[in-house]
Amino acid sequence: SYVVTQPPSVSVAPGQTARITCGGNNIGSKSVHWYQQKSGQAPVLVVYDDSDRPSGIPERFSGSNSGNTATLTINRVEAGDEADYYCQVWDSSSEHWVFGGGTKLTVL
Amino acid sequence: EVQLVESGGGLVKPGGSLRLSCAASGFMFSSYNMNWVRQAPGKGLEWVSSISSSSSYIYFADSVKGRFTISRDNAKNLLFLQMNSLRAEDTAVYYCARFLSRTTMVSSFDYWGQGTLVTVSS
Repeated sequence: SYVVTQPPSVSVAPGQTARITCGGNNIGSKSVHWYQQKSGQAPVLVVYDDSDRPSGIPERFSGSNSGNTATLTINRVEAGDEADYYCQVWDSSSEHWVFGGGTKLTVL
Repeated sequence: EVQLVESGGGLVKPGGSLRLSCAASGFMFSSYNMNWVRQAPGKGLEWVSSISSSSSYIYFADSVKGRFTISRDNAKNLLFLQMNSLRAEDTAVYYCARFLSRTTMVSSFDYWGQGTLVTVSS
C-alpha cells in the first residue's frame, strides 16, 4: 500500500516560515490534503487539493505538491500555530485513505 | 452550522462489540459521503472506513475489514460504526468526518466531530 512520510517534528521561531513535508512515490500525481490538530482537539482541514484553503483558514497557510514531495508552508508563524499537522492522500490502487504519521510543529 | 456528534464509546473487553453513532446536523446529511477516522492514544490519525451518501460504496482499512461495519440512516441523519471482535489495538478516539465534496469520495474531510473514546481492555 502507499506510504507517505512526514518528519516527526519541525521547530520555528515566531514570525518565521515553517515548512512541513509529506513524501511519497510520485505524490505529485495525487491530491494532498493537510490537517491541523491542536492538543486535545479534533483535526481541522487547513489545505485541500494540494493548495486550496477552506474558508476561515488564514492566507499564511499554503501548500504545494510536485514530484515526490508535498509541502505545507506556514508564513509568519504564530504561537497559536503550534500543533500536529497531518497530510492525507487517496491511494487508488488499494482504495484506502492514507495519513502521514504527523509532524509536531513547535513554535520556539 | 455543521455539527457532528459522536456517541457510543466506552470500555469493552477484548472480543466484545460496540456500536458508535454520529449525529449530523446543519447540512443535508443524505447528500454527503462520510467517514470514520481513529486515533490511538498519543498516536497519529488512522482512516477506518468510508460510506457513500446512498450506502452504495463502502471502504474499510485492512486493520478492521471483516470486523467492523459502517452504515447510515439518512432519514435520521445518523452514521454508525459497528465494531465486533474488538482488540486492544482498537483502543482509540473515533471521529466521524464529512467529505468536502458531495460528488466524489476522493475528497478531503472538511468537518470532524469531537470524537468518542473506545477502550478495549480486560
